[in-house]
Amino acid sequence: GAGVSQSPRYKVTKRGQDVTLRCDPISSHATLYWYQQALGQGPEFLTYFNYEAQPDKSGLPSDRFSAERPEGSISTLTIQRTEQRDSAMYRCASSLGAFNEQFFGPGTRLTVL
Amino acid sequence: EDQVTQSPEALRLQEGESSSLNCSYTVSGLRGLFWYRQDPGKGPEFLFTLYSAGEEKEKERLKATLTKKESFLHITAPKPEDSATYLCAVQAGGSGQNFVFGPGTRLSVLP
Repeated sequence: GAGVSQSPRYKVTKRGQDVTLRCDPISSHATLYWYQQALGQGPEFLTYFNYEAQPDKSGLPSDRFSAERPEGSISTLTIQRTEQRDSAMYRCASSLGAFNEQFFGPGTRLTVL
Repeated sequence: EDQVTQSPEALRLQEGESSSLNCSYTVSGLRGLFWYRQDPGKGPEFLFTLYSAGEEKEKERLKATLTKKESFLHITAPKPEDSATYLCAVQAGGSGQNFVFGPGTRLSVLP
């Protein structure tokens, strides 16, 4: 596609529910990143993919967080048993390769009540 | 641990008043330093990549420079449309590919 897209743009859920966020990267991009961004802060790394491989999950806050990219294009980030502290903006970015500049999507604003 | 700090936290300039933003970093082997611009409610937008000390990049009123410990984003004769948050990020060497972002500098340019 022309740019990185994310859906939904806004998600409100109740504590304890599972949520899945979706990222559709730029079509030619091999690398995809997930970030969490708090208000007034820079993005914080969660995980990344090179095609379908996920070499680094070190930024995922707990085992309730998981991400997939099964066919090396679209990716999902799933948060199980959501907690209020999971409320944040979740951003996806893609790049041509590992050491290229990243292009960010508009983000999903998650609110856990 | 890789760290990025940015200063000042916020900066207000009059239109045409040049200034510089600072990004200081500690990283185990710098692979690249990236500057992004972020407008409210939007994702960061790529500006520059710098790879080695002494390197400089320019785009319109912006010029980024890099030393072994810090990077500067110089803004010459800014306009109100330059108002945004400017983020700096580093990518460390080694096997990892993760980026570490700084907290950003919130720039306001008043007409």
